Formats: sequence, structure tokens, C-alpha cells
Amino acid sequence: EPEVTQTPSHQVTQMGQEVILRCVPISNHLYFYWYRQILGQKVEFLVSFYNNEISEKSEIFDDQFSVERPDGSNFTLKIRSTKLEDSAMYFCASKQGDQETQYFGPGTRLLVL
Amino acid sequence: DQQVKQNSPSLSVQEGRISILNCDYTNSMFDYFLWYKKYPAEGPTFLISISSIKDKNEDGRFTVFLNKSAKHLSLHIVPSQPGDSAVYFCAARTSGTYKYIFGTGTRLKVLA
Repeated sequence: EPEVTQTPSHQVTQMGQEVILRCVPISNHLYFYWYRQILGQKVEFLVSFYNNEISEKSEIFDDQFSVERPDGSNFTLKIRSTKLEDSAMYFCASKQGDQETQYFGPGTRLLVL
Repeated sequence: DQQVKQNSPSLSVQEGRISILNCDYTNSMFDYFLWYKKYPAEGPTFLISISSIKDKNEDGRFTVFLNKSAKHLSLHIVPSQPGDSAVYFCAARTSGTYKYIFGTGTRLKVLA
């Protein structure tokens, strides 16, 4: 069964450094998402992406964040200058055009020191 | 701003019995609801969903009930199995958006 994959599974970085989290959505999916879950808290929407542009973003997704689909398979989340409070589990999700359900990847655990 | 609430952080159920997980919401514009299951160190896995035009959806051992007037939905698992032990999230979205709003989750433990 096709699945969403994410790399790396864990990332440790110093505050102020840039990180890029990578996702490979399910191949025939057209809508892509990033969510995050701070330890012990709920899963929070960050951004949705369709047709090579952001379709929706939350207040969390400020100028430090960006997303890109650099080729036909990858979908990336970049954090330009990480802060301590960016430490969280980041989940990528994707969806077909005509279905409601988003399918999630296993997540990348980001730790900012 | 907790639009989706799961007021029970944990639930323990004996194997073979029914598990009932509850979710309340405040936004009357939500028109689609989903339940996800999450194991530690894994992403949420889709379980079952329901549109606001329905009040019940069933898939095998899983049934979701929606009470729009009460702004309440529940997930019934019967019979419960030890492999069902996980954190269960309800999620909702409003028409015209594909942004899911998640609840805080309920940790289900099914005792053998």
C-alpha cells in the first residue's frame, strides 16, 4: 500500500540554524500539508499546498517557514532560523483530489537546542 | 481556541468490550469529521470519517456517530482488541478548506 514517507526521522539543530524537512507524498496525490505536534499537545495545521502554491496557512506559519515542491516527488518544509519553540514532531500529509482523507507520514522529530 | 475537544485524556477498556471515545466541537461550520489512530513514533493513521449530512458511519469494528445538535461525535470500537491501544484523535474541517483541526487526543488502553 502506498504511503507518505519523511526524512530524516530525527533532526537535532542549534537555535538559529536552518533546517529542511523532506516528504515524499503518495504519488497520485495532489494536495500536500504540513502539521506539527509539540510534545504533549495536539496536532496543529501549518500549511496546505496545491498546484505549486500555498492554498492555506496558519498563524504559526510565519516568514521563517517556507514550503516547496522542488520536483515531481518531494515536498519540503524549510525553517530559516530555528527557535527553541520549533521543537516538535512535524508531519507531512497528502490527499487525492477527489477524496477527503489526508494520509500522514511517520513524522520528523525536530529538536532545537 | 479549542474548537475540537476530547475531554477524556485516557480510557481503559477490557478486551472484547466496547470502547467509546468522545469528541465535542464548537464550530457549527464544520462539515466533515475524521478519527485518526496514532501509535508512538508514528504518524496519525486514518480510521473512519463522517460527513455532516450523516449521523452514523460504520466500518467493521468501528462506528462513528455524529450528533450535530449537540456538536458531539463519538467513536465506538467493538469488540476492543489489545492492538487498538493507541492515541485516538478526532479532527474536523469546515467547508471550503482542507485544514484539519485536531482534538487533543484520548489514549486508549485495551486490557487483555
